[in-house]
Amino acid sequence: GQNIDQPTEMTATEGAIVQINCTYQTSGFNGLFWYQQHAGEAPTFLSYNVLDGLEEKGRFSSFLSRSKGYSYLLLKELQMKDSASYLCVREGYGGSQGNLIFGKGTKLSVKP
Amino acid sequence: GAVVSQHPSWVICKSGTSVKIECRSLDFQATTMFWYRQFPKQSLMLMATSNEGSKATYEQGVEKDKFLINHASLTLSTLTVTSAHPEDSSFYICSARDRDEHRSQYFGPGTRLTVL
Repeated sequence: GQNIDQPTEMTATEGAIVQINCTYQTSGFNGLFWYQQHAGEAPTFLSYNVLDGLEEKGRFSSFLSRSKGYSYLLLKELQMKDSASYLCVREGYGGSQGNLIFGKGTKLSVKP
Repeated sequence: GAVVSQHPSWVICKSGTSVKIECRSLDFQATTMFWYRQFPKQSLMLMATSNEGSKATYEQGVEKDKFLINHASLTLSTLTVTSAHPEDSSFYICSARDRDEHRSQYFGPGTRLTVL
């Protein structure tokens, strides 16, 4: 299979930092996306990692370790509007290249 | 940035009728479009991959005769849910890959289908 594991729910406080972890199957792996999805809306793109390391983009950063099949999304200076589901999405290689396999999402609740 | 539109944004229909959902890339050409379905509190599930000018590739368990996909141009793909039943009620989302940006997938806003 192409199991993607991420926590189901997380809660954090406004202004804090939160890290959402994701593990995935490494065989046939091409790249990893993080998407944000508010309830009732389509996902929106946050980041794409294909090489090992940390990529920073404003308040959001994403890390990838290809050998460990591990990624995390780091959200800094949390705001109430960050309350959403965060989807760890694996991009396949070869026959499934370009097709995205979605994790079940981590529902983040930001509290005042 | 790239924009993908879907029409309609929501639809309510009677059981047994057919519903067509359109997915358009507004400012780029999409050689490949993807159709997803999302049930409440679940993740997106890929239904099919649609390549312009060729037959769609369906994921295992998705009935190709029930979910008809047509990708007639580089900017338009349609999904027709034939003989819809209440269990087909779901959130249908398309995404389109920019021909010139191989890694990108831009999502449409989704279509909420309710079958009575």
